[in-house]
Amino acid sequence: DTGVSQNPRHKITKRGQNVTFRCDPISEHNRLYWYRQTLGQGPEFLTYFQNEAQLEKSRLLSDRFSAERPKGSFSTLEIQRTEQGDSAMYLCASSPGTSGTDTQYFGPGTRLTVL
Amino acid sequence: GEDVEQSLFLSVREGDSSVINCTYTDSSSTYLYWYKQEPGAGLQLLTYIFSNMDMKQDQRLTVLLNKKDKHLSLRIADTQTGDSAIYFCAERSGSTNAGKSTFGDGTTLTVKP
Repeated sequence: DTGVSQNPRHKITKRGQNVTFRCDPISEHNRLYWYRQTLGQGPEFLTYFQNEAQLEKSRLLSDRFSAERPKGSFSTLEIQRTEQGDSAMYLCASSPGTSGTDTQYFGPGTRLTVL
Repeated sequence: GEDVEQSLFLSVREGDSSVINCTYTDSSSTYLYWYKQEPGAGLQLLTYIFSNMDMKQDQRLTVLLNKKDKHLSLRIADTQTGDSAIYFCAERSGSTNAGKSTFGDGTTLTVKP
């Protein structure tokens, strides 16, 4: 069990560019989540997947954001036409997806800076 | 909608106990979690409690839940300088398809030697 991994760890981009982040969940975890965290705030939910199905999307996820989990394993989060307000830490988490606590385990995050 | 509130800062002396408080609004919250975040790192799960429990102890950590008042606390006994971090309270409802957790804005714990 290597934990949740995220790549890249840091991304600096210019406004208007597209960026893509990758998340590899804990193996055999069925659920995968994306959160966004800005300085001084707690993580805010963006979206989550049960296997390859995207089950819930936050209103925070504008049409410039898209997430995929094509084979039910790793996931990508793409932001098109980045804006300075997109600068944040993007956190990925995974959970078994079974009944009970279904505890979410977080990756180290990808810090995005939009210049 | 769901809301989770925490006090922003707490400062204690090494060896003292720390108590971090949290309130939540969602009556359907079934699972309540405490996470720790160190600078530049992701969130580390510390402990959790079911809403049908009043207390849970795990080594130096004690979680108390007052479901009537929707109040949760985390007590850290014999606080060490390594406990300095941001602590997040989070809740999740118990329905089958409820995936997301709602987090507070975190309490920054500073431990002075």
